[in-house]
Amino acid sequence: DIQMTQSPSLLSASVGDRVTLNCKASQNINKNLNWYQQKLGEAPKLLIYYTNNLQTGIPSRFSGSGSGTDYTLTISSLQPEDVATYYCYQYNSGPTFGAGTKLELK
Amino acid sequence: QVQLKESGPGLVQPSRTLSLTCTVSGFSLTSYGVSWVRQPPGKGLEWIAAIWSGGSTDYNSALKSRLSISRDTSKSQVLLKMNSLQTEDTAMYFCARFPFFAYWGQGTLVTVSS
Repeated sequence: DIQMTQSPSLLSASVGDRVTLNCKASQNINKNLNWYQQKLGEAPKLLIYYTNNLQTGIPSRFSGSGSGTDYTLTISSLQPEDVATYYCYQYNSGPTFGAGTKLELK
Repeated sequence: QVQLKESGPGLVQPSRTLSLTCTVSGFSLTSYGVSWVRQPPGKGLEWIAAIWSGGSTDYNSALKSRLSISRDTSKSQVLLKMNSLQTEDTAMYFCARFPFFAYWGQGTLVTVSS
């Protein structure tokens, strides 16, 4: 099974900061990676699909990049409503989620 | 519009079998797959099982021996059965359109307790 390692597990940042979340796969996943945002008490929401494609309705401050085993979600200017837990998910083989990065305001 | 809605018993006794139903609307089960994902309280997401548009199935290797996923296309429903339940199976269970998970249900909480 492919393991997905997210870092950091907890991130504190200020409004307006540029924030970078990381996801590393245990083997090449061929860019078959999505990012999700989950707020407390809600279902996850798709932000980015196939590494770098912004889902309809998602603000342009969110972007994704990566290839091979290493992937990144970037928030260009953190907003208060971005406080949430973020998960990466690979669907290249035997779907797996990362353990999540909890993003909080400093 | 695309909607998914989970239903289940809420409370299940240890060692019993859990049966969950995901009822979908706005798309056909013969065009899209559906998957189950669970989330224990305060923890992360765990993919459980999926049924593809063609009817083939995939299971989490760690849970495979306890799982069965099926569908009733006439009712637009996907069914998940998990046997030999333990307290660690207590979680919110979501269904979502697979494999991209662009659409999710609101989840149903399953508590395993005597």
